[in-house]
Amino acid sequence: AQSVTQLDSHVSVSEGTPVLLRCNYSSSYSPSLFWYVQHPNKGLQLLLKYTSAATLVKGINGFEAEFKKSETSFHLTKPSAHMSDAAEYFCVVIGGNNAGNMLTFGGGTRLMVKP
Amino acid sequence: GAVVSQHPSWVICKSGTSVKIECRSLDFQATTMFWYRQFPKQSLMLMATSNEGSKATYEQGVEKDKFLINHASLTLSTLTVTSAHPEDSSFYICSARDGGGIYGYTFGSGTRLTVV
Repeated sequence: AQSVTQLDSHVSVSEGTPVLLRCNYSSSYSPSLFWYVQHPNKGLQLLLKYTSAATLVKGINGFEAEFKKSETSFHLTKPSAHMSDAAEYFCVVIGGNNAGNMLTFGGGTRLMVKP
Repeated sequence: GAVVSQHPSWVICKSGTSVKIECRSLDFQATTMFWYRQFPKQSLMLMATSNEGSKATYEQGVEKDKFLINHASLTLSTLTVTSAHPEDSSFYICSARDGGGIYGYTFGSGTRLTVV
């Protein structure tokens, strides 16, 4: 079984300040982890993914995430928020076994960016 | 990169009618496609998994006779909401995965269904 917990349903930051969106996971297998972003009434866009290579993963739009196995975390960060970053963010895990190669979504974190 | 095209992006229909949503993989063959439903301010809920040429696998609680899924080719899956009711109003998103796993999971842009 696998699960994903996004610790904050809402995060509010000022433009130009750092962003931290937290994600913890549990998985019986070596997981693949993803962060997706969703703007209102849009589909999901892949920000970055971890698939057992480098633990620090760089994605698009200046986002990055670090896989920490000891903490079962995969937090998303960005040094400086832009207004255009305001959106819903989903942390997603794939367990890795063939029978359960399904995406499990976190509950989502809504990022608000204040001018 | 992989692209999944989903149409229509929004649709309004009357109660009792049926609505078809299409999901196409444009530059890869999608052996497996997934259909999700998303309620306002909530995460995505997996409705069903379809494999090309075989019947879809529905998640518990999803009515297979209401949400008909067809995956007749490697590039097209359709979701038909039959006899739609206002409670079926939601945001539906498809996702495709190519057989080789090269592109991973690619999402469509979603369909906003409103039943009046």
